[in-house]
Amino acid sequence: AQSVTQPDIHITVSEGASLELRCNYSYGATPYLFWYVQSPGQGLQLLLKYFSGDTLVQGIKGFEAEFKRSQSSFNLRKPSVHWSDAAEYFCAVGETSGTYKYIFGTGTRLKVLA
Amino acid sequence: KAGVTQTPRYLIKTRGQQVTLSCSPISGHRSVSWYQQTPGQGLQFLFEYFSETQRNKGNFPGRFSGRQFSNSRSEMNVSTLELGDSALYLCASSLEYAGGSTDTQYFGPGTRLTVL
Repeated sequence: AQSVTQPDIHITVSEGASLELRCNYSYGATPYLFWYVQSPGQGLQLLLKYFSGDTLVQGIKGFEAEFKRSQSSFNLRKPSVHWSDAAEYFCAVGETSGTYKYIFGTGTRLKVLA
Repeated sequence: KAGVTQTPRYLIKTRGQQVTLSCSPISGHRSVSWYQQTPGQGLQFLFEYFSETQRNKGNFPGRFSGRQFSNSRSEMNVSTLELGDSALYLCASSLEYAGGSTDTQYFGPGTRLTVL
C-alpha cells in the first residue's frame, strides 16, 4: 500500500541554521510529490511540488526539495531558517493511477529558537 | 484571485446532531476534495467531487456525505455526530479532476468542528 513517512515528529533549530525535513514514500509508480506547510489555525499552503524533470525543485519562502528515486525520498531543505518558518510541514504523495488520492505524512512540527 | 473559502470557521455541536460545512473553491476550479485532520490520525481523505459527481471516496462511514453544486461550491454533511468527529475539516480545490492529473490542490483554512 502507498504510504508516506515523515520520521521526525518534532524538530528544533536555531534561527539562521540550515534545515532538512525528511520524507520517504512507498509507491509503485512515478509519484507526484508535494510539501505543504500549515501554520497554527490555518489551512495548508503549498511550498513546492515535483511531477517530473529536474529532481531539485525550488519552492516559495526559500525552500527546496530533492527527489531521489533510489532512496524513495523527497527531503525538504532550507539553508537559513527564519523564526516565521515555525509551523507544521507535511509531505504528500499524489497517486497517478487514475484513482485519485493524496496521501499525507503525519507531519513534522518545526520549532525555531531565537 | 480569491482563495478557497470555508464556512463556518468554527462550529460546536453535540453528539447525535448533524452538521453541514461549506466550501467555495477558487474561481474556475472544478474539483473539490475534503479532508479530515485530527491529532491522532493526521490528514485523511474523505471524498472528491468533480462536475457535481463524487469521483473518489476515502474510508469513512456513510454518515459522512457531500455534494457539489453547478457553480462548483461544495458542502459536506456529517449526520449523527460522534465525539470522534471533532476535527479540522479542510477543503481543497483544483482545476480539473485530480485523478491522474498534475493539478495542484489549494487548501482552505478549514472548519474546526467540536462535538460535545
